[in-house]
Amino acid sequence: GAVVSQHPSRVICKSGTSVKIECRSLDFQATTMFWYRQFPKQSLMLMATSNEGSKATYEQGVEKDKFLINHASLTLSTLTVTSAHPEDSSFYICSARGTGNEKLFFGSGTQLSVL
Amino acid sequence: GDSVTQMEGPVTLSEEAFLTINCTYTATGYPSLFWYVQYPGEGLQLLLKATKADDKGSNKGFEATYRKETTSFHLEKGSVQVSDSAVYFCALEDSGNQFYFGTGTSLTVIP
Repeated sequence: GAVVSQHPSRVICKSGTSVKIECRSLDFQATTMFWYRQFPKQSLMLMATSNEGSKATYEQGVEKDKFLINHASLTLSTLTVTSAHPEDSSFYICSARGTGNEKLFFGSGTQLSVL
Repeated sequence: GDSVTQMEGPVTLSEEAFLTINCTYTATGYPSLFWYVQYPGEGLQLLLKATKADDKGSNKGFEATYRKETTSFHLEKGSVQVSDSAVYFCALEDSGNQFYFGTGTSLTVIP
């Protein structure tokens, strides 16, 4: 079955640094990728939708200058948390959908802790 | 707006016990409903789905029926195993292909 690889699974960084999270579709071309965030005991919240080769569409309340999303190829999307602060600590998870594919495939998530 | 409300966990059951995880939804239109499962250290995987009212999704002994009258999609399994220990997410997909997730329910099955 289709696999989405997300890396790293866990990252700890100092406040003020930037962190990049990668999401790769390993055996299909992901025309659309989604980035979610989950706070403890809360739902997965959609942050943004990215289509290959175009700018990401951000959900209301998500700062696009803080959460930079790049979907440069059909198999890779990256989320960069710029100038991270402790309130950015959260679980981030990506998902991908291929052309004509109704199914959504998820990465394993990244636990970000900002000190 | 659309939303999913899911039974809070954690849930701990003995092996072979009956499992129910409640899920209700609020949506305009006719959403598709899903249960996803996340095993430790892995990504979310689709467990089952139903795309219209009265449909029953089933997989690996799990079942859920799309009940429009009660706006519910409760997950059930008659006899859980230790290997079923995971986090379960209820979700809906609206007509615009946007997903809404529940908070997840952690299930631990003890031998």
